[in-house]
Amino acid sequence: EAGVVQSPRYKIIEKKQPVAFWCNPISGHNTLYWYRQNLGQGPELLIRYENEEAVDDSQLPKDRFSAERLKGVDSTLKIQPAELGDSAVYLCASSSSDRNEAFFGQGTRLTVV
Amino acid sequence: SQQGEEDPQALSIQEGENATMNCSYKTSINNLQWYRQNSGRGLVHLILIRSNEREKHSGRLRVTLDTSKKSSSLLITASRAADTASYFCATHGGYNKLIFGAGTRLAVHP
Repeated sequence: EAGVVQSPRYKIIEKKQPVAFWCNPISGHNTLYWYRQNLGQGPELLIRYENEEAVDDSQLPKDRFSAERLKGVDSTLKIQPAELGDSAVYLCASSSSDRNEAFFGQGTRLTVV
Repeated sequence: SQQGEEDPQALSIQEGENATMNCSYKTSINNLQWYRQNSGRGLVHLILIRSNEREKHSGRLRVTLDTSKKSSSLLITASRAADTASYFCATHGGYNKLIFGAGTRLAVHP
């Protein structure tokens, strides 16, 4: 079984530039999560999808962040424009409805300079 | 926002010793999960304990859950250098909401 795939692994951009992250969850997993993890801290939930519907985006800074999950499979997370404080690791995870454990991708490390 | 709080924030032990990490949370849960994260890597699921369970074992891992105190503990017995990682508890509430704590950084010295 293939795991959760994220790309890119690393991204360095200048502030005010846009950036996008891509996630391919495990096949058949209807729940998809995007988390942000700052150094030395736990993952912070940004948005959660059930199939193609965003059911929890209360922590997503909607002025600059957007996300979509077309056809309830792959998902993209976008930041426009990026700020210095957005530097972090962005993690994608997925889970199935019958088993609650989440499977994580390797993450995208974003550095905004 | 983070639901769980781990204690201690950091733990340093020798190989062969046991490591105990604690997690406290605030709201009702369906289950509580523990994850491990090696440096620079994604999180890996270790064990899940349901709200109606009090103790669960998996290999060298032992997890307890006290819903009346809203707390859980993870015990790693006979630790190895390879157990060096950060450990996070995560509460699973209604509708698949999975919220993580700040984590415990465990260092196991040979």
